[in-house]
Amino acid sequence: GESVGLHLPTLSVQEGDNSIINCAYSNSASDYFIWYKQESGKGPQFIIDIRSNMDKRQGQRVTVLLNKTVKHLSLQIAATQPGDSAVYFCAENMAQTGRRALTFGSGTRLQVQP
Amino acid sequence: NAGVTQTPKFRILKIGQSMTLQCAQDMNHNYMYWYRQDPGMGLKLIYYSVGAGITDKGEVPNGYNVSRSTTEDFPLRLELAAPSQTSVYFCASSTDGPRGGQPQHFGDGTRLSIL
Repeated sequence: GESVGLHLPTLSVQEGDNSIINCAYSNSASDYFIWYKQESGKGPQFIIDIRSNMDKRQGQRVTVLLNKTVKHLSLQIAATQPGDSAVYFCAENMAQTGRRALTFGSGTRLQVQP
Repeated sequence: NAGVTQTPKFRILKIGQSMTLQCAQDMNHNYMYWYRQDPGMGLKLIYYSVGAGITDKGEVPNGYNVSRSTTEDFPLRLELAAPSQTSVYFCASSTDGPRGGQPQHFGDGTRLSIL
């Protein structure tokens, strides 16, 4: 079936560097995407979202890029901090399913080295 | 603000036992969701509700039941616990559906082991 997945299971970066977390989706009908952050023992926390009519959206220290041509989504974190260490999930919603819920990818663990 | 509250935080069940996972939100959200998360995996949708009295199946509904008698509460019922239901269960709520641009707020999860 259609799925949302991630290229890298673990990403290790130095504190202060920029981080880029990638996500591939297989359904060209997907038109709404969200990034969540999950810290150990906690529920997912919303970071940023983007609709398919946009290529880029910026938040505080985070940017999401959407490339519909290759069905690729990325999350960029500027000046990565130790508090950014967590598992990051992308999630998508497909309009054609009519389901009013999200489909999550399997996650990437971000490790920030001091 | 409490947000989304899940109880219990941890539970061990024997095979064949039943239990109800509780979820309550105090944000007056219409949408509520139940997900399960297996180790090293993403979240899979079990059931969701778009309002009191309305529920619908997600990706993995077998072995579970839900009800939504009030806006605030969305309990998840396991009737005959099986080892395959060992997982972390997350409840979430949102004002609108995913397409409305409103994020889902998650509880901190219930860690359930079936032995």
